[in-house]
Amino acid sequence: ETGVTQSPTHLIKTRGQQVTLRCSSQSGHNTVSWYQQALGQGPQFIFQYYREEENGRGNFPPRFSGLQFPNYSSELNVNALELDDSALYLCASSPIAGGQETQYFGPGTRLLVL
Amino acid sequence: EDQVTQSPEALRLQEGESSSLNCSYTVSGLRGLFWYRQDPGKGPEFLFTLYSAGEEKEKERLKATLTKKESFLHITAPKPEDSATYLCAVLNNAGNMLTFGGGTRLMVKP
Repeated sequence: ETGVTQSPTHLIKTRGQQVTLRCSSQSGHNTVSWYQQALGQGPQFIFQYYREEENGRGNFPPRFSGLQFPNYSSELNVNALELDDSALYLCASSPIAGGQETQYFGPGTRLLVL
Repeated sequence: EDQVTQSPEALRLQEGESSSLNCSYTVSGLRGLFWYRQDPGKGPEFLFTLYSAGEEKEKERLKATLTKKESFLHITAPKPEDSATYLCAVLNNAGNMLTFGGGTRLMVKP
């Protein structure tokens, strides 16, 4: 069974640029959630995708957007990068949306905005 | 709004010295409480899910318990390899969003 994978592992961007992060869900999982984790803090929910549609969103501005593809993989796009966007971005997958299912996390993408 | 508070923020133990980590929560309706372990620079690794007050789960040296207001992660005779940040999270009513606490950074010295 393949776990959650994310790419790239590390990324350096400059303020104002745009970035795309990618996630492949665990085998058998159709729901993907994205979280932002600043250094020394717990992860914060950005949004969730289920059946290729957004299924809930946290307190993040519209410049954070996403996609889910028919194979359940997902992308997180961030436009107009700000210095505060520097963080570990985590993707988590779960078997189904809206239940009590455990979310399993990938290794994360470390984004540094200069 | 769901809230999760973990204490202490950091804990230093000698190898073999048992202790407990606390997770206090307020939710509109508990769908599940989750414990994760996170090593530096890595993603959280799932440990336990608890669904109702009174429930307990064990795995090796770890035991998680749940009441209506808090959860405890008990660590018995810890080893240096148990050093990590332990995160607690609650699942919201919609079943899509995890709200995390700030974590407890555990350091176990040999």
